[in-house]
Amino acid sequence: DVKVTQSSRYLVKRTGEKVFLECVQDMDHENMFWYRQDPGLGLRLIYFSYDVKMKEKGDIPEGYSVSREKKERFSLILESASTNQTSMYLCASIYSGRSSAVFGPGTRLTVL
Amino acid sequence: KQEVTQIPAALSVPEGENLVLNCSFTDSAIYNLQWFRQDPGKGLTSLLLIQSSQREQTSGRLNASLDKSSGRSTLYIAASQPGDSATYLCAVDLVGSYIPTFGRGTSLIVHP
Repeated sequence: DVKVTQSSRYLVKRTGEKVFLECVQDMDHENMFWYRQDPGLGLRLIYFSYDVKMKEKGDIPEGYSVSREKKERFSLILESASTNQTSMYLCASIYSGRSSAVFGPGTRLTVL
Repeated sequence: KQEVTQIPAALSVPEGENLVLNCSFTDSAIYNLQWFRQDPGKGLTSLLLIQSSQREQTSGRLNASLDKSSGRSTLYIAASQPGDSATYLCAVDLVGSYIPTFGRGTSLIVHP
């Protein structure tokens, strides 16, 4: 069964901490994405990557960075966490073609 | 920029009813349209994918249609059940891009 996994389901961090969210897929997909989901705002794209070491900004990249050193792994980094980054973070991957996006289970991040 | 709108935002129906959820998008140059289901606190599960050259897709009690020229899709759920209670999201990606843009979803409650 194909799968996208995320390192944590729930995470609590302090303001100013550096936070790493990890996403791993086992489907050999080229394209990977990070979204955040907030009530009333829906899913918003933070960053995406279409190949190893390649990254592109999405709609809301401020305060975030990403890393993709291996094809199967896409990491989201909060350099200095702030309370307005409290959210549900969803990772997804897509094969380059007419295929469905596969999502991970999400990480609920709370920044105190 | 592609905008995706879902109507209604919320829906509560008795078990057994047939339902129609609506999705509209502003740019008709789409590659795929996908319908997802999201249970509370969980990731997204792909339900149906309609390629731009297709008119509809069916899976069990679900049928999704696509009218690209008018920028609309509908998700039809037959004989609804309490287990169908979830949020349903529509996403489209533009030609030349694999990035899904999401609507804000329809929150469905099916009561016994």
